[in-house]
Amino acid sequence: GNSVTQMEGPVTLSEEAFLTINCTYTATGYPSLFWYVQYPGEGLQLLLKATKADDKGSNKGFEATYRKETTSFHLEKGSVQVSDSAVYFCALRAMDTGRRALTFGSGTRLQVQP
Amino acid sequence: DSGVTQTPKHLITATGQRVTLRCSPRSGDLSVYWYQQSLDQGLQFLIQYYNGEERAKGNILERFSAQQFPDLHSELNLSSLELGDSALYFCASSLTGTGLTGELFFGEGSRLTVL
Repeated sequence: GNSVTQMEGPVTLSEEAFLTINCTYTATGYPSLFWYVQYPGEGLQLLLKATKADDKGSNKGFEATYRKETTSFHLEKGSVQVSDSAVYFCALRAMDTGRRALTFGSGTRLQVQP
Repeated sequence: DSGVTQTPKHLITATGQRVTLRCSPRSGDLSVYWYQQSLDQGLQFLIQYYNGEERAKGNILERFSAQQFPDLHSELNLSSLELGDSALYFCASSLTGTGLTGELFFGEGSRLTVL
């Protein structure tokens, strides 16, 4: 079946530090890949996405590249801010099945300290 | 604001009881998804409806059921509640049932506490 594995948190960084949150996946066919972010007390919001191999998704300074050879979609940001503190979820949609719901990873909590 | 509305925001009930969670999707969205978020299980897909019909089923227990009404709002019914059902229940919507863009729009969730 389809699955997403994320690094466990919490990840604690100082402001302006470099961020990497690892995400690997298992899926049949060629899935689309997503990063969602959940700020405290809120629902999930789409952060970025990539729909085919070697695509790079980017938004708000965050980037992730769809690596088919390593089945990975790691999230990176060059300089984090306190406002980036949130839970980040990697997700996939496998396009070769009738199911269109997203499969999520377990989430990684990021804490950025001033 | 995602445009997806969930009620109630918080709900406390006892074991063995039944509750109904309600979701109004974004205007124009035809597809509704229900997810359960718990500390030990993460975010689990429960069920999807598209334009009133069930489209996909995930890890939904037999004690749980859902439906989508002609006005496209959806309800998730949880019965014979157990302590382990305590969780945050999210509703999400999307324009299509095929997920061509991939983006789901999430509500703020309904937090259920079973005592």
